[in-house]
Amino acid sequence: QLQLQESGPGLVKPSETLSVTCTVSGGSISSSRFHWGWIRQPPGKGLEWIGSIYYSGSTYDNPSLKSRVTISVDMSKNQFSLKLNSVTAADTAVYYCGRHGPQTVPASMRWFDPWGQGTLVTVSS
Amino acid sequence: QSVLTQPPSASGTPGQRVTISCSGSSSNIGSNTVNWYVQLPGTAPKLLIYSNDQRPSGVPDRFSGSKSGTSASLAISGLQSEDEADYYCSVWDDTLNGPVFGGGTELTVL
Repeated sequence: QLQLQESGPGLVKPSETLSVTCTVSGGSISSSRFHWGWIRQPPGKGLEWIGSIYYSGSTYDNPSLKSRVTISVDMSKNQFSLKLNSVTAADTAVYYCGRHGPQTVPASMRWFDPWGQGTLVTVSS
Repeated sequence: QSVLTQPPSASGTPGQRVTISCSGSSSNIGSNTVNWYVQLPGTAPKLLIYSNDQRPSGVPDRFSGSKSGTSASLAISGLQSEDEADYYCSVWDDTLNGPVFGGGTELTVL
């Protein structure tokens, strides 16, 4: 059974870079069948897609985040990671990773399943 | 402010049928398939419906999805107390070039 687990710093200072990693178990991140994505949820608010990556390294992300996003994949560790730079208090959220697929359908038809349990990252000095 | 509009709340009594709407536009619901996620209190979202009306393995057939034009709906029949949760619609937006989520609907079982 595929499982995803996020890990992060918990607390990041304003203007610094937020880094979160998702470890995949029960399956290979190098599977050509799926993409892998990041979604966040500010406390008490709704969900926002951040970006997604294919095992080849090709990425696409939410333009509303104004190019602050870097998503990468480490196949040797079966992990993918998110870096968000120049953070502010507005970036405080629970960050979720999820399998985004399947690759066999157009991007416009994909869904997130399963999701990790999420990790809360607070931006504060 | 999400490009997908959901009612912030919905409610029903046990055994009742409730529907949750999701309104969008031609650049999202009107041209792409809709997914629904359920988020129980304090937990991560979970896929409930994909491709407008498909249920993943393990999701009871009490849950059904539909789409018409630029709107979609999630119906829950035989409402149970454990259905109390937040429900989110999601669809690819051709303008954003990525998936967007509705603002979520908090379902209360009275």
